[in-house]
Amino acid sequence: QKEVEQNSGPLSVPEGAIASLNCTYSDRGSQSFFWYRQYSGKSPELIMSIYSNGDKEDGRFTAQLNKASQYVSLLIRDSQPSDSATYLCAVKPLSSASKIIFGSGTRLSIRP
Amino acid sequence: EAGVTQFPSHSVIEKGQTVTLRCDPISGHDNLYWYRRVMGKEIKFLLHFVKESKQDESGMPNNRFLAERTGGTYSTLKVQPAELEDSGVYFCASSQGRSTGELFFGEGSRLTVL
Repeated sequence: QKEVEQNSGPLSVPEGAIASLNCTYSDRGSQSFFWYRQYSGKSPELIMSIYSNGDKEDGRFTAQLNKASQYVSLLIRDSQPSDSATYLCAVKPLSSASKIIFGSGTRLSIRP
Repeated sequence: EAGVTQFPSHSVIEKGQTVTLRCDPISGHDNLYWYRRVMGKEIKFLLHFVKESKQDESGMPNNRFLAERTGGTYSTLKVQPAELEDSGVYFCASSQGRSTGELFFGEGSRLTVL
């Protein structure tokens, strides 16, 4: 079992719709969770971090965390073509003060 | 403010040769990390510096890899001798304050070993 699992996609969503990206993790003690966006050939860019159960909203982005289910998601409202990218879920395990563990990423495509 | 910069952006070498990758973190960031993505795999942690000290090098694959951060500013990652399986993209990231996972990444150095 991978430590952080994501559906690789591609996930195709029409422009203006809500894109829903999901991630599960195996380390029940994890406390910190992140969503990074990576455009092709570019660096990963942090778009959301979440540390507590529930929802966290930032503009068109909402991160959701359910520690009991070991599940974290990212919702993108009013999807734009510029949102087309690979979205990486990352988890900071309790056992490490240093590293974060990445999932393999979900490729999102917003169709006009 | 300049972001994290990495050099070279792409390096092609033959098996057995040596390559040195460089990372300049964001000014003032004490934390510097190296990560790697090999073909078809997830981005994986290699090591973490706090200033010039290695905080965690548990992700370094073997002793062919050597990372340094003399003076607590830029860092180098040397691979000697390079093997085919070392091919991939090497990312550097930095952060300030406590290490939380909120990282600023460079654009990566793509290494191709032939």
